[in-house]
Amino acid sequence: EVQLVESGGDLVQPGGSLRLSCAASGFTFSDHYMDWVRQAPGKGLEWVGRSRNKGNSYTTEYAASVKGRFTVSRDASKTSLYLQMNSLETDDTAVYYCTRGHGDYNWYSDLWGRGTLVTVSS
Amino acid sequence: DIQMTQSPSTLSASVGDRVTITCRASQNIDNWVAWYQQKPGKAPKVLIYKASSLEGGVPSRFGGSGSGTEFTLTISSLQPDDFATYYCQQYKSYPLTFGGGTKVEIK
Repeated sequence: EVQLVESGGDLVQPGGSLRLSCAASGFTFSDHYMDWVRQAPGKGLEWVGRSRNKGNSYTTEYAASVKGRFTVSRDASKTSLYLQMNSLETDDTAVYYCTRGHGDYNWYSDLWGRGTLVTVSS
Repeated sequence: DIQMTQSPSTLSASVGDRVTITCRASQNIDNWVAWYQQKPGKAPKVLIYKASSLEGGVPSRFGGSGSGTEFTLTISSLQPDDFATYYCQQYKSYPLTFGGGTKVEIK
């Protein structure tokens, strides 16, 4: 079955760290760009970061709000995507979605996981 | 950054109505726009990509149009399953950005 399953969401104190995981299955993981998108409670969608595909050396891009604090990586052998989040702030509280990119020149999200909740609070 | 301004933010409509949602980009994005539908407590689902291409499995009552800076999502005949929140997204340049969302409510 083609799916994405996120895990790792938790309650963490401001300044703390957390690593989210996304297990991909049912498709050739290395062929696709992969994104993290988040949604704060009651708010809209915010793109967080991207890992390009193997053909583009798995290079990454980030939103300004997380650059220098968050790192997107992947383990191709485990077909997993990760989001390492450091120096967490209360504004990082959100449901974090892992998405699969589809395209050839520019890439949109054609497959989404169910999300995992990160709460940053003291 | 490219700003995506979506309107209206809320829309009240009846089953069978034709519904149009607009998204305006702050600069030219050619046709690199996707539209997503999100229901409460669920992940978003893509409806339209490249401004007007229908994603596989999406009902044909959904349509997209536009290029440059002005884009629309149209639902030709609103069905009970369509009451949800809709988002546009530009994916021409980084950072990728979403519109603020349009909640389609039952009138």
